[in-house]
Amino acid sequence: DAGVTQSPTHLIKTRGQQVTLRCSPKSGHDTVSWYQQALGQGPQFIFQYYEEEERQRGNFPDRFSGHQFPNYSSELNVNALLLGDSALYLCASSFVEGALRPLGDEQFFGPGTRLTVL
Amino acid sequence: AQSVTQLDSHVSVSEGTPVLLRCNYSSSYSPSLFWYVQHPNKGLQLLLKYTSAATLVKGINGFEAEFKKSETSFHLTKPSAHMSDAAEYFCVVSEFNQGGKLIFGQGTELSVKP
Repeated sequence: DAGVTQSPTHLIKTRGQQVTLRCSPKSGHDTVSWYQQALGQGPQFIFQYYEEEERQRGNFPDRFSGHQFPNYSSELNVNALLLGDSALYLCASSFVEGALRPLGDEQFFGPGTRLTVL
Repeated sequence: AQSVTQLDSHVSVSEGTPVLLRCNYSSSYSPSLFWYVQHPNKGLQLLLKYTSAATLVKGINGFEAEFKKSETSFHLTKPSAHMSDAAEYFCVVSEFNQGGKLIFGQGTELSVKP
């Protein structure tokens, strides 16, 4: 089992550009959540996708959008990049099957994508 | 609203001595509580979780945590630190009506001296 995988590992962009990050969930999982971890901070919840729809969203602007594909993989898109978007972006997967919370209450995290905005 | 406060940003211990990482939480409902560890350049790994079963929870690598509702605390302990325990530790809360959204504390960096 490959676990949660994310690509790319590192990314450097300039202000105003757009970026797409990718995540493949752990085998058997149907839900993907995205988190932003700024340097020296704890991760902050961006949004969660289930059945190809955004089910829940944190306090992030509309510049942050996402998508989930039929194979449960997911993308995070950020438009009009700002310097403050520089962070480690983490993807987590879980098995929910329509319930309000992950069955077993466990989310598995990928290694993250380090985004640097210059 | 739910929140988590980790009382120490940095803890330093000697190898072989006990570890105590402190966490207080705030929650309107019966919470699920977790401790995650993050080693440099690696993803977050679940150490242990509390989901309204036994209040003393045992996790991996000899860690355990006790849920104390009266004190709204969920402190992480280990009897004897190992060099490989040096990492960032996060206390995390989740509520049933939040659909699995995790709320992280600011983190505690654990250093282990030889």
